[in-house]
Amino acid sequence: AQSVSQHNHHVILSEAASLELGCNYSYGGTVNLFWYVQYPGQHLQLLLKYFSGDPLVKGIKGFEAEFIKSKFSFNLRKPSVQWSDTAEYFCAVNAGFNDYKLSFGAGTTVTVRA
Amino acid sequence: SAVISQKPSRDICQRGTSLTIQCQVDSQVTMMFWYRQQPGQSLTLIATANQGSEATYESGFVIDKFPISRPNLTFSTLTVSNMSPEDSSIYLCSVEGTDKNEKLFFGSGTQLSVL
Repeated sequence: AQSVSQHNHHVILSEAASLELGCNYSYGGTVNLFWYVQYPGQHLQLLLKYFSGDPLVKGIKGFEAEFIKSKFSFNLRKPSVQWSDTAEYFCAVNAGFNDYKLSFGAGTTVTVRA
Repeated sequence: SAVISQKPSRDICQRGTSLTIQCQVDSQVTMMFWYRQQPGQSLTLIATANQGSEATYESGFVIDKFPISRPNLTFSTLTVSNMSPEDSSIYLCSVEGTDKNEKLFFGSGTQLSVL
């Protein structure tokens, strides 16, 4: 079974600071990787995903993530955060194209101070 | 993308009672799932709700505790039975995207507190 580790439980930043959230997974086969975001009071939304191809994936709202296969990592980045990026971020993985079951990391709460 | 409506959005229940959570999707979907998010923890898959057959439960979850119905391709219910405070969680319904590349969409969740 896959497992997902997110390194930071809570990150506090000032606006315009750069953000990087770590995500590592354990699974030896082909994986699909996701970052979900949950804004306060809202439901989970897909931020970006990696299936294949270019390991640098660009998502919505200026976020990007890089898949490094040798490190089993899929870190999320944003060069300059805004107050509206305050949310909880979840890394998730599933195994293969036909697998809809997602294994989630514990989540990272990001607080951006104005 | 699918629109998922989940009811109730939150509830406070007494120990030993049961609560049924409803999930309605605005389009027909093959795959529907129920997840649980316990306080301070990640999302955990409870089961896959199968239309026309019994749900498929993940390790650690059983039908007697979490009976699931899936009468058609747009609706499912999850019941949390004989509740205890340990069942206090957010319960989320999710469905597959319109194509496989979309993977999962999530409902807004049901926040359950058991006293």
